[in-house]
Amino acid sequence: GDSVTQMEGPVTLSEEAFLTINCTYTATGYPSLFWYVQYPGEGLQLLLKATKADDKGSNKGFEATYRKETTSFHLEKGSVQVSDSAVYFCALSDRMNTGFQKLVFGTGTRLLVSP
Amino acid sequence: GAGVSQSPSNKVTEKGKDVELRCDPISGHTALYWYRQSLGQGLEFLIYFQGNSAPDKSGLPSDRFSAERTGGSVSTLTIQRTQQEDSAVYLCASSREGTGRTYEQYFGPGTRLTVT
Repeated sequence: GDSVTQMEGPVTLSEEAFLTINCTYTATGYPSLFWYVQYPGEGLQLLLKATKADDKGSNKGFEATYRKETTSFHLEKGSVQVSDSAVYFCALSDRMNTGFQKLVFGTGTRLLVSP
Repeated sequence: GAGVSQSPSNKVTEKGKDVELRCDPISGHTALYWYRQSLGQGLEFLIYFQGNSAPDKSGLPSDRFSAERTGGSVSTLTIQRTQQEDSAVYLCASSREGTGRTYEQYFGPGTRLTVT
């Protein structure tokens, strides 16, 4: 079945550093790709998404580009803040036989940003 | 507006007992999903409801797990004869529609289940 692989954490950065969290996927079709974020004590929130190849999703300074040739969707931010400390999940939508699309998640990457 | 709500936020139960977890989706969302977040397995899909259609139960790990959705709104996930490996955070999500286009899934805060 479809799967998502993302880099293990924790990723520890100083404030204003550049962030990259790698994500690659395996899929038989053409899934949509997502980054979700989970702040401490809170639920999962959609950070950004891309629905087709070469699309770039962006939100709150974060970006990710859907690269079909490398089956990747790496998350980047030019200058992280302490408030970005959270767990980041890469996910794809996997269309089931019933027609609906469930989310398949990576294992999550914890980001710790220090002042 | 109100987001997805789940109750209880925490549940501690003894091995062998039954538990019920509740999810209240966003009003107007026809699709509802249950996921489980555990240390060993990460985030995994459990079950999906779309309107009044039969649910997709393909992710349920065993027949001890069941779920229902009454009136196309509130859903209850039931785990019978709980085992320690059922300890996890159970997440509920809802979206405008599940089939065809990809709609954003909005997640609730989760129920942390601990089986002792």
